Amino acid sequence: DVKVTQSSRYLVKRTGEKVFLECVQDMDHENMFWYRQDPGLGLRLIYFSYDVKMKEKGDIPEGYSVSREKKERFSLILESASTNQTSMYLCASRPTGRGGRTEAFFGQGTRLTVV
Amino acid sequence: EDQVTQSPEALRLQEGESSSLNCSYTVSGLRGLFWYRQDPGKGPEFLFTLYSAGEEKEKERLKATLTKKESFLHITAPKPEDSATYLCAVQAPDNFNKFYFGSGTKLNVKP
Repeated sequence: DVKVTQSSRYLVKRTGEKVFLECVQDMDHENMFWYRQDPGLGLRLIYFSYDVKMKEKGDIPEGYSVSREKKERFSLILESASTNQTSMYLCASRPTGRGGRTEAFFGQGTRLTVV
Repeated sequence: EDQVTQSPEALRLQEGESSSLNCSYTVSGLRGLFWYRQDPGKGPEFLFTLYSAGEEKEKERLKATLTKKESFLHITAPKPEDSATYLCAVQAPDNFNKFYFGSGTKLNVKP
């Protein structure tokens, strides 16, 4: 079974703090993603990475950065946390292949509260 | 603008009462449509992928169908353990790593 593991289930941080969310996958997938999920808004893509050290902005990258130094690990960084970044953060991975028609495997999510 | 809309937002069923969830999309040149199930406090779990109009896929009490503009997730004789939020996602035609997600349908099946 594919496993995508996020480092924390719950986090509480203060406004202005630098926050690191870590994600590790064990299936050698090329592509990794960070989404945030808010009620009524669905999943929105923050950043994704299609290879080590490669990244692309998603729909809502402002206030976030990412790092992918190793294939299995993808980190999301909140440079200076703000209350409007309180959300559920979901990491996902998916393989390349089948003409790009592969499903994503999600982690269990990190519920971040910024106070 | 490419968009994915799911309806209803919430659905309450009695155990055994069949129904359907809808996912309509305006993405042109569909590459793939994905259904996921999400339990409270957990990440989405993959159910089905559909690629072309007329395609159908089944898994236990669930059956997904696809037309040119929408997909249905039919739930036959649901059980309380089918209670979850069901998410629909459409793959962007120009970037296979981009997906447009709907807001989901929260299904509650009462015993």
